[in-house]
Amino acid sequence: AQRVTQPEKLLSVFKGAPVELKCNYSYSGSPELFWYVQYSRQRLQLLLRHISRESIKGFTADLNKGETSFHLKKPFAQEEDSAMYYCALSGLSWGKLQFGAGTQVVVTP
Amino acid sequence: EPEVTQTPSHQVTQMGQEVILRCVPISNHLYFYWYRQILGQKVEFLVSFYNNEISEKSEIFDDQFSVERPDGSNFTLKIRSTKLEDSAMYFCASSEPTGEKKLFFGSGTQLSVL
Repeated sequence: AQRVTQPEKLLSVFKGAPVELKCNYSYSGSPELFWYVQYSRQRLQLLLRHISRESIKGFTADLNKGETSFHLKKPFAQEEDSAMYYCALSGLSWGKLQFGAGTQVVVTP
Repeated sequence: EPEVTQTPSHQVTQMGQEVILRCVPISNHLYFYWYRQILGQKVEFLVSFYNNEISEKSEIFDDQFSVERPDGSNFTLKIRSTKLEDSAMYFCASSEPTGEKKLFFGSGTQLSVL
C-alpha cells in the first residue's frame, strides 16, 4: 500500500533560518513525488516535482530512494514562506495523488 | 493564469439531501478530479474522469457519489443522500492532456451536513 508520512504538523522558524520539511513514503514501485503548498486563503498549488529537479522560490527537494524520503529544504526562510505544505505521491495511476497530512510552516521575523 | 473555478464556496445542507458541487476546469484540460479533506485529516482522492467516463475511483466514492460533465465546461460532483460524515472541503482539479503532470486545484467547496 502506498503511504506518505509528514511527521511534523507544525514547524516554526525564524526568518533567515534554514527550514527542512520531512516527507517519507512507502510504495513498491517507482513513485513520482510532489510538494504542494497552500498559502493562507489560497488554493493548493504545485511547488515542486521530483522529476523536474528544479528550485522553486528557493526550495529544493531530492528523492532519496534508499531512505524513501523526499524532504523539502530552503536555506533561508522568508516570511512569505508561511503556509501549509503537503507532500504527495503518484503511483501508476496518474492524477491519483496520495497526500501526507501536511506541515504548517510559520516563519517569524 | 487560468484557474479552476468551484461553486459554491460554502454549502450547507440537511442530512439526506442531495447536493451538487460544481467545477469549471481549465478550458484545454482533459483530465478532471475530485478530492476532499475532512477537517483535520488528509486530502483524499475521490475520483478521476477522462473522456466522459470515470478513470479511477477510491473506496470513498461509493454509490451515493456520481460525477458528470454535462456540457463542455462544467464538471460536477453529486452526493445523493448526504451523511454527516460527508462534511468536508471538496476540491476539484484538472490537468493537461500531455506533458507536465501538474494538477491545478480549485479553491474548494466547504460542505457542511447538518
